[in-house]
Amino acid sequence: DAGVIQSPRHEVTEMGQEVTLRCKPISGHNSLFWYRQTMMRGLELLIYFNNNVPIDDSGMPEDRFSAKMPNASFSTLKIQPSEPRDSAVYFCASSSIDLNEKLFFGSGTQLSVL
Amino acid sequence: SQQGEEDPQALSIQEGENATMNCSYKTSINNLQWYRQNSGRGLVHLILIRSNEREKHSGRLRVTLDTSKKSSSLLITASRAADTASYFCATDGGGSNYKLTFGKGTLLTVNP
Repeated sequence: DAGVIQSPRHEVTEMGQEVTLRCKPISGHNSLFWYRQTMMRGLELLIYFNNNVPIDDSGMPEDRFSAKMPNASFSTLKIQPSEPRDSAVYFCASSSIDLNEKLFFGSGTQLSVL
Repeated sequence: SQQGEEDPQALSIQEGENATMNCSYKTSINNLQWYRQNSGRGLVHLILIRSNEREKHSGRLRVTLDTSKKSSSLLITASRAADTASYFCATDGGGSNYKLTFGKGTLLTVNP
């Protein structure tokens, strides 16, 4: 298995632009998590899905952020409009049947908003 | 808000020495997990210990859990330069709260 696949690996954009981050979880995993990592705040859970349904999105910073999981093999995290403070590494992770079992992380998307 | 808090924030040791990192958390949990992150990479799961377990081993890793003190420790024995990385503890919220939250990590440097 190729593991959790995220794209793009790096994204540089200007303030106000829309940014879409993509994630393909491990086949057979039914839970998917989006995290954001910064030096100041560490790893923050933004949202997680179980069986494609959003379970908890309380970590989503504000309305500019949205996430979807249209099927079991794909998820997107969208920021519109982007701001410099959104600059961070965004990780997607998936896990199998049990929600509180170990997570498998993707390599992350390094986002820079200028 | 952070559930887990690692201590120390940074640790520098010589190859062959043991490294101990600690984690404290705030609420009841179902399990506690430790992850490792190399610079510029995603996190990699190391070990999971359930709330009814007190100690667990995996290779050179030893994890302890004290639910009365809401704390855990990760011991890496006979460290190697390749163990240089950041180490994070992660906890859920207990019960049906499956949100897995991470501490800010301990940066371990193993000098050859």
